[in-house]
Amino acid sequence: GAGVSQSPSNKVTEKGKDVELRCDPISGHTALYWYRQSLGQGLEFLIYFQGNSAPDKSGLPSDRFSAERTGGSVSTLTIQRTQQEDSAVYLCASRTGTFSGANVLTFGAGSRLTVL
Amino acid sequence: AQSVTQPDIHITVSEGASLELRCNYSYGATPYLFWYVQSPGQGLQLLLKYFSGDTLVQGIKGFEAEFKRSQSSFNLRKPSVHWSDAAEYFCAVGLFSGGYNKLIFGAGTRLAVHP
Repeated sequence: GAGVSQSPSNKVTEKGKDVELRCDPISGHTALYWYRQSLGQGLEFLIYFQGNSAPDKSGLPSDRFSAERTGGSVSTLTIQRTQQEDSAVYLCASRTGTFSGANVLTFGAGSRLTVL
Repeated sequence: AQSVTQPDIHITVSEGASLELRCNYSYGATPYLFWYVQSPGQGLQLLLKYFSGDTLVQGIKGFEAEFKRSQSSFNLRKPSVHWSDAAEYFCAVGLFSGGYNKLIFGAGTRLAVHP
């Protein structure tokens, strides 16, 4: 597609429920990132996928968070047993190839998660 | 550890006034530096980036930024602010670690513009 597409744009859930957030990157982009933006906070790196390499999961805050990327394209971020502190905007970004001066991250509009 | 600091959480300027948003980074090597803008309800848009070469970089919407290695800074400037510039601005540094590449962001500076 023309841009990075995320769904749902808004999700309200009850504490303890599982949620899935989807990211559809720009066609041909091999790298995909998930970030979390909490109210009044900056962007917190969660996870990074690059091609067929093992993902960098160093930013996932707990084992309740997981992500996968199927077929090198669409990615799903799953949060199990949601807690109120998980409420945030979850941003996905993608880019082409190796990180260099020739490419930068393109961000989606985000998925706003509210845990009641 | 690598980090990005944006000392100003909120800034308010009058329309037509000049603007400078501060950014300091901590990184052992020559950094890749970025400024992104996030308008209400929108995703992040790249304003400009510094990779190498001329330390004064020009971006979109009339913004520029200057990389100062001695001060570990990458401040964003605009000579005359427009009401449409009201948004949140994020500075970021690109990291390369163990073959992985990611951006580390500052906490952001929210800009308000008075008419």
